[in-house]
Amino acid sequence: DVKVTQSSRYLVKRTGEKVFLECVQDMDHENMFWYRQDPGLGLRLIYFSYDVKMKEKGDIPEGYSVSREKKERFSLILESASTNQTSMYLCASSRSREGAKNIQYFGAGTRLSVL
Amino acid sequence: SQKIEQNSEALNIQEGKTATLTCNYTNYSPAYLQWYRQDPGRGPVFLLLIRENEKEKRKERLKVTFDTTLKQSLFHITASQPADSATYLCALVGGSSASKIIFGSGTRLSIRP
Repeated sequence: DVKVTQSSRYLVKRTGEKVFLECVQDMDHENMFWYRQDPGLGLRLIYFSYDVKMKEKGDIPEGYSVSREKKERFSLILESASTNQTSMYLCASSRSREGAKNIQYFGAGTRLSVL
Repeated sequence: SQKIEQNSEALNIQEGKTATLTCNYTNYSPAYLQWYRQDPGRGPVFLLLIRENEKEKRKERLKVTFDTTLKQSLFHITASQPADSATYLCALVGGSSASKIIFGSGTRLSIRP
């Protein structure tokens, strides 16, 4: 089974702090994704990566950056955390971006609270 | 812009009945439609994929239909059980390799004994 592991289940940070969310997958998947999930808004794509050192902006990249130095690891960085970034963050991976193979495997999520 | 809508209200069903969840979309022509299950505090888990040229797909007690004319997918759980209680998300996938997945906000399903 594919396993996507997020480093923290819960995080509490202060406004202005730099925050790192780590994600590791063990199935040699090409693609990795970061989403945030808020009530009533569904899953919104922040950034994704289809190869090592490659990254593309999703729908809501403002205030975030990412890093993919190794195939299995994809990090989300909040440069200066703000209260409106309080949310559930979900990492996902997929074998391919080609339609039928673009099945997303999700981690358990990190619930981030910014005070 | 693309829009995907699922029942915003929670769905409460008596155990043993068939639960039917709806996914409607506009301004998009997906090549595939996916359904995921999400339990509280967990990430979504993939359940089923249906292609645009398929009318219906089944997996055990699950059935998905895809009507590209109505721009709608229906997700059915037959002989529902309390363990089926969860939030169910639909997701649209385009045909090209550059397509992103667009997720709906989900419908919360509760099966009462």
